[in-house]
Amino acid sequence: GAVVSQHPSRVICKSGTSVKIECRSLDFQATTMFWYRQFPKQSLMLMATSNEGSKATYEQGVEKDKFLINHASLTLSTLTVTSAHPEDSSFYICSARDNRDRGSSYNSPLHFGNGTRLTVT
Amino acid sequence: DAKTTQPNSMESNEEEPVHLPCNHSTISGTDYIHWYRQLPSQGPEYVIHGLTSNVNNRMASLAIAEDRKSSTLILHRATLRDAAVYYCILRGAYSGAGSYQLTFGKGTKLSVIP
Repeated sequence: GAVVSQHPSRVICKSGTSVKIECRSLDFQATTMFWYRQFPKQSLMLMATSNEGSKATYEQGVEKDKFLINHASLTLSTLTVTSAHPEDSSFYICSARDNRDRGSSYNSPLHFGNGTRLTVT
Repeated sequence: DAKTTQPNSMESNEEEPVHLPCNHSTISGTDYIHWYRQLPSQGPEYVIHGLTSNVNNRMASLAIAEDRKSSTLILHRATLRDAAVYYCILRGAYSGAGSYQLTFGKGTKLSVIP
C-alpha cells in the first residue's frame, strides 16, 4: 500500500531555534499534501494544504511566516517551525493523496505519516 | 462543511463485535462517509468509506442508513490492536489540484477489554 514517511519521529529543540520536518511519499506521487497538528487529547487540526509548485494555503489562525511549507517535488513536502516556542510543542502529522486518485479524490483515502513529536524546551 | 457527531468513548470486550455510530444529519448528496482510526502515538489510518450502499473490506464493515443521516462502523471481532480513536469524516473543502480536505472531529475512543 501507499506509504508516507515522516522524519524525524521525535525532536527536541531549544526555544528560538527552527526545526524542519520532512514528509515523503515513498511509492507514489502526491501533488497535494496536508499538514496537521495535534495537541494532547485533542483531534487533528488542519494547518495547511500544500500543492507542489505553488504556495501553501494556510488555515485561519496559522501563521504562514512561522510555519514554512515547501513542496518542491511530487514526493516531498517540508514543514519548518521557525523560532519555536514551548507552545509549539505538539504532534505534527502530514498526509498525502496519491495522484492516481485525483480523479476520484472525494472518495479516495488519504495516506498519513506516523507523525513527528516536537518538544520545545 | 457537514458535521458529524460521535460518542466520546466506547468499550468492547475482546473477540466481540463493535458497532461505532456516527450521526451526520446535514450530509449532502455527494458527500462520502469516511472512517479513519488513530492508534496511540501514530498517524491516522484509513479504515473504510462509502456513499450509499453498505461496504465491507478486510478491516471492517460500514452500514449506512437509508436516509444517509447516520452510519455505523462495524468491527466484527474486536482485538486489542483495535483500541484506537475512530473518526467519522465527511468530505471537506476542495483543496485544489483535484484534492479535498478531511476535517477531523473528536472521534470515538474505543477501549478493548481483554
